[in-house]
Amino acid sequence: DAKTTQPNSMESNEEEPVHLPCNHSTISGTDYIHWYRQLPSQGPEYVIHGLTSNVNNRMASLAIAEDRKSSTLILHRATLRDAAVYYCILHGGYQKVTFGTGTKLQVIP
Amino acid sequence: DTAVSQTPKYLVTQMGNDKSIKCEQNLGHDTMYWYKQDSKKFLKIMFSYNNKELIINETVPNRFSPKSPDKAHLNLHINSLELGDSAVYFCASSQVQGGRNSPLHFGNGTRLTVT
Repeated sequence: DAKTTQPNSMESNEEEPVHLPCNHSTISGTDYIHWYRQLPSQGPEYVIHGLTSNVNNRMASLAIAEDRKSSTLILHRATLRDAAVYYCILHGGYQKVTFGTGTKLQVIP
Repeated sequence: DTAVSQTPKYLVTQMGNDKSIKCEQNLGHDTMYWYKQDSKKFLKIMFSYNNKELIINETVPNRFSPKSPDKAHLNLHINSLELGDSAVYFCASSQVQGGRNSPLHFGNGTRLTVT
């Protein structure tokens, strides 16, 4: 499985943008980049995914490097409800989707 | 309506017992999964079913037996429970089997504690 590397933890002030990085230098040409988040005592929640182009949805934006070896999840205005563990994963299709340890985001009021 | 629902939310039992966890999805998805999250928060896939057929079995002990009566349900039965089985078990579903472009939808988990 292609691996991803994320910082263990990050902090952000409330109502400020947050940029969560992910490195995936061994990504293959057909892997999609998915982001999920897990709030305390809940299951992982889908956030966003993309292949090559940057993506936007109501929750976040995903910026994908031109060489696809890294990506950044952007929360435009962090709220206390965004405090969670954020997982960046590669989905190669027809296979298990493997979750790493993720980034624990703390939002400071 | 909850998209992926699991029951029970909490399960406390003694070693050696047999227990089941139920999962249902109302999203019309073809593929369902069981994941295990241990105390260190690693989330590992256990099984994947597509239209009631087993697709992935990730070297899970034979004591774990998934059953899919229809594509909307995937239950997990565990025999002879051991202390190491204590974890949070998540059910998930996705629209397309193996679809790279298909997000996973998770339930809220079942916290199993074996004493």
